[in-house]
Amino acid sequence: DAGVIQSPRHEVTEMGQEVTLRCKPISGHDYLFWYRQTMMRGLELLIYFNNNVPIDDSGMPEDRFSAKMPNASFSTLKIQPSEPRDSAVYFCASSGGSEDEQYFGPGTRLTVT
Amino acid sequence: AQSVTQLGSHVSVSEGALVLLRCNYSSSVPPYLFWYVQYPNQGLQLLLKYTSAATLVKGINGFEAEFKKSETSFHLTKPSAHMSDAAEYFCAVTDAGGTSYGKLTFGQGTILTVHP
Repeated sequence: DAGVIQSPRHEVTEMGQEVTLRCKPISGHDYLFWYRQTMMRGLELLIYFNNNVPIDDSGMPEDRFSAKMPNASFSTLKIQPSEPRDSAVYFCASSGGSEDEQYFGPGTRLTVT
Repeated sequence: AQSVTQLGSHVSVSEGALVLLRCNYSSSVPPYLFWYVQYPNQGLQLLLKYTSAATLVKGINGFEAEFKKSETSFHLTKPSAHMSDAAEYFCAVTDAGGTSYGKLTFGQGTILTVHP
C-alpha cells in the first residue's frame, strides 16, 4: 500500500490567497483526520471524519478553514483567505477503526507570506 | 476529557544508555495509549500501543512501554540508545469507546538527542 498521500508537500502563498490541501487515505480506512503542527501549539486535531461524515470539527480555528470528504478516497482542507499565522505543517491521517493506529501522511508544509 | 503530559521537552542520552521518556495521562474512561515517533520532515509513525491487553507493550526498534493505571503513566523505554533513535516522540491517548471514539489527544512531544 502507498500509505496516506498528501499533496502538495510544500506550498508557499501570499496572504489573502486561497489554499487547498489534499489527502488520499489508505484504502479501506473509514476514519480520516486533519492535524496542524506548529512549534508554539504542537500537534492539534482540526477535524475528523468517519465514513466521509465530519464527526468533530471543534479544532477548526475559524470560518476561514473548511474541510470536505466527498468520497472515501479523497479529502480537502481549504483555507480562505490565508494568513501568515496559518503557516504550519498540516498532516492527514487515516485509520481502520477507533482502536487502530492512525497512519500519518508526510505532511504539507504551508508558508503564508 | 482526556489529556497527556510528557515530562521533559528535551531528553539527551549517550549512545548505549537507557532511554526513558515519561508520559502521564488523564482520562475519564479506560484509555488506549500510543507512542509515536517523528523523524525530521516526516509524518508520525506508530512505535507501540496499549489497548487493554498486556500492560507491558513491546514495539518496534526495541522500544517498550508499561501501562500503570495506579500511576496513570505510560512511560517509554529502550535499554540501549542508538544514534538512529534521535527524533521527536509523542504520547497520545484516546477513550476506549468513549464519546471521543477514534480521536487521539497528543502530548507536546519530547525531543530525544543521542550523543556518541
